[in-house]
Amino acid sequence: KQEVTQIPAALSVPEGENLVLNCSFTDSAIYNLQWFRQDPGKGLTSLLLIQSSQREQTSGRLNASLDKSSGRSTLYIAASQPGDSATYLCAVNSGAGSYQLTFGKGTKLSVIP
Amino acid sequence: GAGVSQSPSNKVTEKGKDVELRCDPISGHTALYWYRQSLGQGLEFLIYFQGNSAPDKSGLPSDRFSAERTGGSVSTLTIQRTQQEDSAVYLCASSNGRTQYFGPGTRLLVL
Repeated sequence: KQEVTQIPAALSVPEGENLVLNCSFTDSAIYNLQWFRQDPGKGLTSLLLIQSSQREQTSGRLNASLDKSSGRSTLYIAASQPGDSATYLCAVNSGAGSYQLTFGKGTKLSVIP
Repeated sequence: GAGVSQSPSNKVTEKGKDVELRCDPISGHTALYWYRQSLGQGLEFLIYFQGNSAPDKSGLPSDRFSAERTGGSVSTLTIQRTQQEDSAVYLCASSNGRTQYFGPGTRLLVL
């Protein structure tokens, strides 16, 4: 059974800092991995999706990397802003015929002005 | 265009009552998912609908939970004889490819 772990559970940084969020998964036979953002009382917003054949994806100040063999992904946020404060969730899709996402418990990020 | 919508946004009910949660997916999306997010837990898959195929109900935690999707569009998640442990945020997502688009969720509180 696929398990997804995110470390740290919470992170507080001053505005302007670069930061890294970590995600690990137990079964490396994945189809893709997604990073989501969840704001309080809101649904999930997809940030980046990395296919299993890819090593990284970039969108603006966000860069997600994937090392499938070691079961790890990182989300790098450059020049953090208070508006980046949210919970970031990592989710794994474990196969082409499988559609379920297995989620980590998230990292709650606070960017202090 | 319009995203995934869910109603109600909040629901408070008494233990033992039945509740119905509604999801309106993005128009044209053939796949629809229900997830549950309990306090301190990750999102937990509940059920998946794809077109006219039989739904995958493997994530439903008990037979008190059921869901249907009428006309390949709107879906209703029903919880019968609610228990306090059913308190959670219930999220719906729809997809027409590799990315799932999530609604804002329904916060359910069972007293």
